[in-house]
Amino acid sequence: SQKIEQNSEALNIQEGKTATLTCNYTNYSPAYLQWYRQDPGRGPVFLLLIRENEKEKRKERLKVTFDTTLKQSLFHITASQPADSATYLCALMDSNYQLIWGAGTKLIIKP
Amino acid sequence: NAGVTQTPKFQVLKTGQSMTLQCAQDMNHEYMSWYRQDPGMGLRLIHYSVGAGITDQGEVPNGYNVSRSTTEDFPLRLLSAAPSQTSVYFCASSRVWGTNEKLFFGSGTQLSVL
Repeated sequence: SQKIEQNSEALNIQEGKTATLTCNYTNYSPAYLQWYRQDPGRGPVFLLLIRENEKEKRKERLKVTFDTTLKQSLFHITASQPADSATYLCALMDSNYQLIWGAGTKLIIKP
Repeated sequence: NAGVTQTPKFQVLKTGQSMTLQCAQDMNHEYMSWYRQDPGMGLRLIHYSVGAGITDQGEVPNGYNVSRSTTEDFPLRLLSAAPSQTSVYFCASSRVWGTNEKLFFGSGTQLSVL
């Protein structure tokens, strides 16, 4: 069956370090993958999109990689700040043109 | 710029009651959708619409109805609430369907069914 998985355990990172979140998928061949940020009590907010022919995408302190061989995307936040604390969701488009979502990884940046 | 507006923010229902969750967007988006979010699970698609007058089922449509009479509004109706429908509901929209467009989400409705 098709699956998209993110680390369900919270990730604790010291302020200033790089946080790396993982999104793995099976039985998909997505054309692109998206990352969203979700704060408590709020809806997800789009961060980055990466296409299958792109190895890496950057936006300010954010970097996303996409390895279609490993079926994995990595999401990096460099020089992390307490304000980066949130849950991060990955999503990819299935064959019916609908987004399939991971359950998210909670990131906690400690001062 | 309001974006996607959902009401109410919180709702408590008794089993068997019906209600409508409201969703409106002011971005002239073609695509609108409803998701539910449960602990430990990814967002799951309930229903979606690719334009006024067009709706279709998502992954978990049972117990829910939708309609899209205008581009702006996409209400979600719970016909006879059940405890299994306790969840957080999100409305989302994008400019078009079937492309790499990002989704814009409302702030959610937390629903409890007793």
